[in-house]
Amino acid sequence: ETGVTQSPTHLIKTRGQQVTLRCSSQSGHNTVSWYQQALGQGPQFIFQYYREEENGRGNFPPRFSGLQFPNYSSELNVNALELDDSALYLCASSLDSRNTDTQYFGPGTRLTVL
Amino acid sequence: AQSVTQPDIHITVSEGASLELRCNYSYGATPYLFWYVQSPGQGLQLLLKYFSGDTLVQGIKGFEAEFKRSQSSFNLRKPSVHWSDAAEYFCAVGARAGNNRKLIWGLGTSLAVNP
Repeated sequence: ETGVTQSPTHLIKTRGQQVTLRCSSQSGHNTVSWYQQALGQGPQFIFQYYREEENGRGNFPPRFSGLQFPNYSSELNVNALELDDSALYLCASSLDSRNTDTQYFGPGTRLTVL
Repeated sequence: AQSVTQPDIHITVSEGASLELRCNYSYGATPYLFWYVQSPGQGLQLLLKYFSGDTLVQGIKGFEAEFKRSQSSFNLRKPSVHWSDAAEYFCAVGARAGNNRKLIWGLGTSLAVNP
């Protein structure tokens, strides 16, 4: 069984640029959630995708957007990057979107905005 | 408002000593509670979870946690700490809004282990 994978591992961008982060969910999982973890902080929920539809969103501006594909892999897109977007971005997949479902995390993508 | 508080930012224990990491939550409904561990530069690994039933939950790596509804707490314990347990520990509550479920996280407790 393949776990959750994310790419790239690290990324450096400059302010104003756009970035796309990718996540492959664990086999059999149809739900993907994205989190932002700033240095020294707990993760903050960005949004969740369930069967290719956005299924909830945290307190992030519209320049944070996402997609989920038919194979349930997912992308996180961030436009007009700001310095404060520098963080570890974590993807988590779960079997379904129910409250009781455990989320399994990938290793994250470390984004640095200069 | 839904929230998770981990009162201890940093804890240092000696190898072989017992450990207790505190977690308090604020959530109006029945909480679904989780403990995750994060090693440096790594993603989050689930240690254990509580949904219902027995309030003492066993997890991986010898960890356990006890849900106390009266105290809104879900403290993590381990009887004898190993050097490899040094990491960041996060408590989280599964919150629900309609069909959407998200995890609300504490700020984490950093654990250092002295030899």
